[in-house]
Amino acid sequence: DAKTTQPPSMDCAEGRAANLPCNHSTISGNEYVYWYRQIHSQGPQYIIHGLKNNETNEMASLIITEDRKSSTLILPHATLRDTAVYYCIVRVNTGTASKLTFGTGTRLQVTL
Amino acid sequence: NAGVTQTPKFQVLKTGQSMTLQCAQDMNHEYMSWYRQDPGMGLRLIHYSVGAGITDQGEVPNGYNVSRSTTEDFPLRLLSAAPSQTSVYFCASKNSGLATYEQYFGPGTRLTVT
Repeated sequence: DAKTTQPPSMDCAEGRAANLPCNHSTISGNEYVYWYRQIHSQGPQYIIHGLKNNETNEMASLIITEDRKSSTLILPHATLRDTAVYYCIVRVNTGTASKLTFGTGTRLQVTL
Repeated sequence: NAGVTQTPKFQVLKTGQSMTLQCAQDMNHEYMSWYRQDPGMGLRLIHYSVGAGITDQGEVPNGYNVSRSTTEDFPLRLLSAAPSQTSVYFCASKNSGLATYEQYFGPGTRLTVT
């Protein structure tokens, strides 16, 4: 699986957009970008994934650069409940076996 | 659906004791896995299973055993607990199939070995 690099921490004011970057310069053509988050002491929660195109769901948007070497997770209107560690993971989707490799992620602090 | 459940929530063991961490899911998922998370670190894969009767090792399997006799349950056994196994343990499950991407995690078991 390709290695990812994320900033260790970020701050965001409540109500503003939170833009979390991720570098994955060695990503290969069949590897997906996944984002998970872990709210304090809880199990990780899936947010979104993408291959080439930008994606949006009810939680967030995922912007992947054209060369696929980096991506940005966007929380459009951050709330205090979005304070968490956010993990960017790159891997092939094999269907059955889906081992996730978690780095140390980005700790997002949303403040009033 | 209850999703992925784990018991117990907290456990304290003495060095050398054995115990089993329980994990169950009611979503009929074929893929299940166990991770451990040490303070300030990301999750590391211990063991995983792609279906009943099939298990394999992950990144940090030493000191742990697993079995998968049913689709629903995937227990993790600590054979002889050591202080280095003090950690938070998460179980996860996922449906198989190339069109499925999301893994579901349980709430975790916090284990302290003294």
